[in-house]
Amino acid sequence: EAQVTQNPRYLITVTGKKLTVTCSQNMNHEYMSWYRQDPGLGLRQIYYSMNVEVTDKGDVPEGYKVSRKEKRNFPLILESPSPNQTSLYFCASSLLNHGGSGYTFGSGTRLTVV
Amino acid sequence: DAKTTQPNSMESNEEEPVHLPCNHSTISGTDYIHWYRQLPSQGPEYVIHGLTSNVNNRMASLAIAEDRKSSTLILHRATLRDAAVYYCIFRSYNTDKLIFGTGTRLQVFP
Repeated sequence: EAQVTQNPRYLITVTGKKLTVTCSQNMNHEYMSWYRQDPGLGLRQIYYSMNVEVTDKGDVPEGYKVSRKEKRNFPLILESPSPNQTSLYFCASSLLNHGGSGYTFGSGTRLTVV
Repeated sequence: DAKTTQPNSMESNEEEPVHLPCNHSTISGTDYIHWYRQLPSQGPEYVIHGLTSNVNNRMASLAIAEDRKSSTLILHRATLRDAAVYYCIFRSYNTDKLIFGTGTRLQVFP
């Protein structure tokens, strides 16, 4: 089944403790992206990647890192999490063809930073 | 970045057609119009997309105005499982980026 898999689904952590949220897709998509969703603010893009070793900032990149060493994986790294990063996170992937393909989203990771 | 305008909420009865409108007067000629929906506690789900012509798939139809300044997502027979937030979005030709707005919350009544 074609899918984007995120882990973990739920995570509670303490301020300052480094964490990684993994994202993997099995569709050979070039484009991958991370979003966060907050009440009243909707879905906002954190980082995106157009291919292996090619990443760029989205609208809210502060406090996050990403890497794209393999085509299928796009982990989101929080080096020193803070409570304002408590949010619902979604990873997504797509073919790269000038907007002509749909995104596939993961099921989400609900992160709480205390 | 180009923006879309959608009503905050709409209601429908089960098995009736639903027309969800979207205005996008600032769309560029090469941006695709995408629709996604998000059910409670789930990730957004792709529904349909188009550029200039009307499009149909198993989930819905997309009607795009001739001047491309507006579009309408059509659910032909609403079911309770269609209750969700529906997002009308541009996907940029240059960056392939999806920019989400606030969406329309669709309620479906039995």
